[in-house]
Amino acid sequence: TQLLEQSPQFLSIQEGENLTVYCNSSSVFSSLQWYRQEPGEGPVLLVTVVTGGEVKKLKRLTFQFGDARKDSSLHITAAQPGDTGLYLCADQGGSEKLVFGKGTKLTVNP
Amino acid sequence: DTGVSQDPRHKITKRGQNVTFRCDPISEHNRLYWYRQTLGQGPEFLTYFQNEAQLEKSRLLSDRFSAERPKGSFSTLEIQRTEQGDSAMYLCASSFLVREQYFGPGTRLTVT
Repeated sequence: TQLLEQSPQFLSIQEGENLTVYCNSSSVFSSLQWYRQEPGEGPVLLVTVVTGGEVKKLKRLTFQFGDARKDSSLHITAAQPGDTGLYLCADQGGSEKLVFGKGTKLTVNP
Repeated sequence: DTGVSQDPRHKITKRGQNVTFRCDPISEHNRLYWYRQTLGQGPEFLTYFQNEAQLEKSRLLSDRFSAERPKGSFSTLEIQRTEQGDSAMYLCASSFLVREQYFGPGTRLTVT
């Protein structure tokens, strides 16, 4: 059974700071996805990465996929209060279902 | 194109009662998934449908849980004889074949 470990579990920072969160898998990712979830809402897809070494940018968010396709990072530049939420990584393997990590709970204080 | 909708958004019930949740997927999405999320955890897969056929069920889905998608459109998830351990957020997602899944807002279940 694939296990996804996310770190840190909690992160509280001030507006304007930069941050990086990590996702590591016990096995090679098939299709890595990053989601953001706000309290009381469902996860919202941010990005999908499939190629080892791939880097994707989404405004102030930069996603990196490890060469061996077993790890990934999400870097946020100049964090804003609107970035507050639970950041989840997930793998969509051959069985179609998503396997999620426990997430990193980010709080950006104004 | 409207997103995935779920009803109700919140449900409080007493232990032993039955509850039913509804999910309306994005139109034209032929796959529909149910997940459960407890506090401090990521969502965990329960089951999924392709059109009206239920193709996979997790071991988490005990005999008290049943899901249907009778016409290949909306789906219902029923929990019989609820237990306190059933308290969780129940999430529905839909996709077109094996492409990205889009989640609804969830139904928060509290069993007292």
